[in-house]
Amino acid sequence: QKEVEQNSGPLSVPEGAIASLNCTYSDRGSQSFFWYRQYSGKSPELIMSIYSNGDKEDGRFTAQLNKASQYVSLLIRDSQPSDSATYLCAVKDSNYKLTFGKGTLLTVNP
Amino acid sequence: DGGITQSPKYLFRKEGQNVTLSCEQNLNHDAMYWYRQDPGQGLRLIYYSQIVNDFQKGDIAEGYSVSREKKESFPLTVTSAQKNPTAFYLCASSITGLNSPLHFGNGTRLTVT
Repeated sequence: QKEVEQNSGPLSVPEGAIASLNCTYSDRGSQSFFWYRQYSGKSPELIMSIYSNGDKEDGRFTAQLNKASQYVSLLIRDSQPSDSATYLCAVKDSNYKLTFGKGTLLTVNP
Repeated sequence: DGGITQSPKYLFRKEGQNVTLSCEQNLNHDAMYWYRQDPGQGLRLIYYSQIVNDFQKGDIAEGYSVSREKKESFPLTVTSAQKNPTAFYLCASSITGLNSPLHFGNGTRLTVT
């Protein structure tokens, strides 16, 4: 079974700091990569998507992909208390199957 | 407003009963997915469908069944064979494509006693 691994956390950072979330995946044939944010009791919402090696920036968020190392990360700059949530890494394979990691709980302390 | 509607939000059933969870989308998406989430866990794929009248098993399909008779609808039946059905069920859809993200409904929380 294809696996997506994330540190469960919790990851605790002070307000204004950079939060770094990491994810590794087992399937070298994986095609596309997504980061979702999920607040407690709610459904996931898309934060970032990345398909090519390198960095992709969107506002305070930067996704990084290294296919050779099978590693994808999400950096959150200037972290805010409202960023406190569970962050889910998701990987799509060539059969359109999207597999999620178990998520990392982030807490941003005021 | 376009979106994905899951109903009901909360569902209670007695053990041994089959129950069907509704998922409707008006986004004109071809692909639809069902996931299950248990407390403190990520999302686990139950079934997914890329096109009408076709669907594939995910990682935890045992005890579940689906149909895809219409593009906008992808109902999930939780059968009495599912040993631990109590969970948060999430439906999602996307346009077809490897780079297409999933958009989620608000979920149905099923409790079986």
